[in-house]
Amino acid sequence: EAQVTQNPRYLITVTGKKLTVTCSQNMNHEYMSWYRQDPGLGLRQIYYSMNVEVTDKGDVPEGYKVSRKEKRNFPLILESPSPNQTSLYFCASSLGGTGTRGARQPQHFGDGTRLSIL
Amino acid sequence: AQKITQTQPGMFVQEKEAVTLDCTYDTSDQSYGLFWYKQPSSGEMIFLIYQGSYDEQNATEGRYSLNFQKARKSANLVISASQLGDSAMYFCAMREVSTNAGKSTFGDGTTLTVKP
Repeated sequence: EAQVTQNPRYLITVTGKKLTVTCSQNMNHEYMSWYRQDPGLGLRQIYYSMNVEVTDKGDVPEGYKVSRKEKRNFPLILESPSPNQTSLYFCASSLGGTGTRGARQPQHFGDGTRLSIL
Repeated sequence: AQKITQTQPGMFVQEKEAVTLDCTYDTSDQSYGLFWYKQPSSGEMIFLIYQGSYDEQNATEGRYSLNFQKARKSANLVISASQLGDSAMYFCAMREVSTNAGKSTFGDGTTLTVKP
């Protein structure tokens, strides 16, 4: 089954304790992206990756790191989490291609990870 | 910078009636893609429909159609014959060619409630 898998689904942790949210897709997609969803704010893009070893900032990258060493995996790292990073996080992937080809690709989303930073 | 505006935080519709969810966007690009996603209360994001900026015809997918007015920069989602299962949050989103389609912007969403 084609899917994007995020782990963990839920996590409660404390300020400053490094954490990683994993994301893996089995569709051989070039493009992957991370979003956070907060009430009333829709989805905001954190980082995206056009392909292996190619990552770039979205609209809200502060406090986050990513890496793309393999095509299927795109982990999100919070080096020193803070309470304002409490949110629902989504990983997504799509077929790639720059320009018009890329802009027409819908994204496939994981089920989300609910993070609570105390 | 791209921006998506969904002006209806909440909408109600009677079962079996049609409903239009509004989406306006701001971009200086001539080439872009517009998308609608559905998020039920269970939380997953489901792709519904796509419209390309150069597509001459409005997109349709089953009960979903797009009322695309490029000059007005609007891409409203029309759901025909609403069903109780259509109750969900709906997001309009855009990918621009100028950013190599990397950046993706979402609106704040509209919560649709279908009444029996």
